[in-house]
Amino acid sequence: SQQGEEDPQALSIQEGENATMNCSYKTSINNLQWYRQNSGRGLVHLILIRSNEREKHSGRLRVTLDTSKKSSSLLITASRAADTASYFCATDEGAQKLVFGQGTRLTINP
Amino acid sequence: GAVVSQHPSWVICKSGTSVKIECRSLDFQATTMFWYRQFPKQSLMLMATSNEGSKATYEQGVEKDKFLINHASLTLSTLTVTSAHPEDSSFYICSARGPASTDTQYFGPGTRLTVL
Repeated sequence: SQQGEEDPQALSIQEGENATMNCSYKTSINNLQWYRQNSGRGLVHLILIRSNEREKHSGRLRVTLDTSKKSSSLLITASRAADTASYFCATDEGAQKLVFGQGTRLTINP
Repeated sequence: GAVVSQHPSWVICKSGTSVKIECRSLDFQATTMFWYRQFPKQSLMLMATSNEGSKATYEQGVEKDKFLINHASLTLSTLTVTSAHPEDSSFYICSARGPASTDTQYFGPGTRLTVL
């Protein structure tokens, strides 16, 4: 079942701007993970945030998690053309199974 | 880092034939691997959980006789699409949970299956 809903479905910004993507989910989770997928390729793991964490950083990436609202956000700062990809959130409901959101297609315009 | 490979990266076959896709964890052992399928511009849908040395666990709506999964070793899981039909054309992706004590799943590069 698809648990995650991502918002927006598509986002187009200018290079250098910040990009924010949101993810909402429905059930209790152990952790939430963000992945990037370039067209026709596999998924690249970006960040894992646990249910007891509220914010996490990795380079130009910042992830927040609000378990009371069952939502997460991914912020990419100072975007680059190479950031153009689809971004998916995935929730770990237990038993190691990941349930993916619908994804956000991000386009960075030079 | 943990690397997962898939083979082949793409395959074209005739309707009615069977296709085997391999998923390997290259530098770590994976007792559990996962198989997903992804249709164009859509998200990943979990098909089954592959457990080393035991039967796979299939998600609701996935035909176990259609999609045969074998996890014969700690580094290899295979997905066989039997009697493939055009509607089976899709992007198949496997993943493996990383080395011990990590919850991160590492994904293979995917296999594009086209059934004519």
